[in-house]
Amino acid sequence: KQEVTQIPAALSVPEGENLVLNCSFTDSAIYNLQWFRQDPGKGLTSLLLIQSSQREQTSGRLNASLDKSSGRSTLYIAASQPGDSATYLCAVMQGGSEKLVFGKGMKLTVNP
Amino acid sequence: KAGVTQTPRYLIKTRGQQVTLSCSPISGHRSVSWYQQTPGQGLQFLFEYFSETQRNKGNFPGRFSGRQFSNSRSEMNVSTLELGDSALYLCASSLNYYEQYFGPGTRLTVT
Repeated sequence: KQEVTQIPAALSVPEGENLVLNCSFTDSAIYNLQWFRQDPGKGLTSLLLIQSSQREQTSGRLNASLDKSSGRSTLYIAASQPGDSATYLCAVMQGGSEKLVFGKGMKLTVNP
Repeated sequence: KAGVTQTPRYLIKTRGQQVTLSCSPISGHRSVSWYQQTPGQGLQFLFEYFSETQRNKGNFPGRFSGRQFSNSRSEMNVSTLELGDSALYLCASSLNYYEQYFGPGTRLTVT
């Protein structure tokens, strides 16, 4: 059974710091991995999708990497801003189903 | 183009009642999945549909059911509501085994 872990559960940093968010999964046989952002009481916003054959994806200040063999992904946020404050979730999809298995998320607070 | 829409956005129901939630996917998307989000359990998969067929189902009791119509719109139904069904219900659509896009969710409160 696939399990996804995100540690720590919460992080508070001053504005301007470069951040690394971690995600680990137990079964390396994944189809893709997706990072999401969730603001309080809202739905999920897709940030980056990494296919199993890819090593990384970039969008603006965000960069996500994937190491399937070790069961890890990291989301790098450059020059953090207060507007980046949200909960960040990673999720993996395995072959044969569109079911996403989610981590519990990491609540990020960026202080001005 | 328009994103995933879910209606209603908020619902308050009484124990024992039933409820129907609706999801309209992004135009062209034929795959729709449903998730339940609670503070304790996080995001849990309910079911997924593709071209009106249920492809996969999560570990939820039979009180939870769903369907998908020919226009890809989907509904989920919860019968005999329990207090523990209070949650944010999220719907996602995709082009089929690709990036998933989520709607704003329906906040269900059972009293």
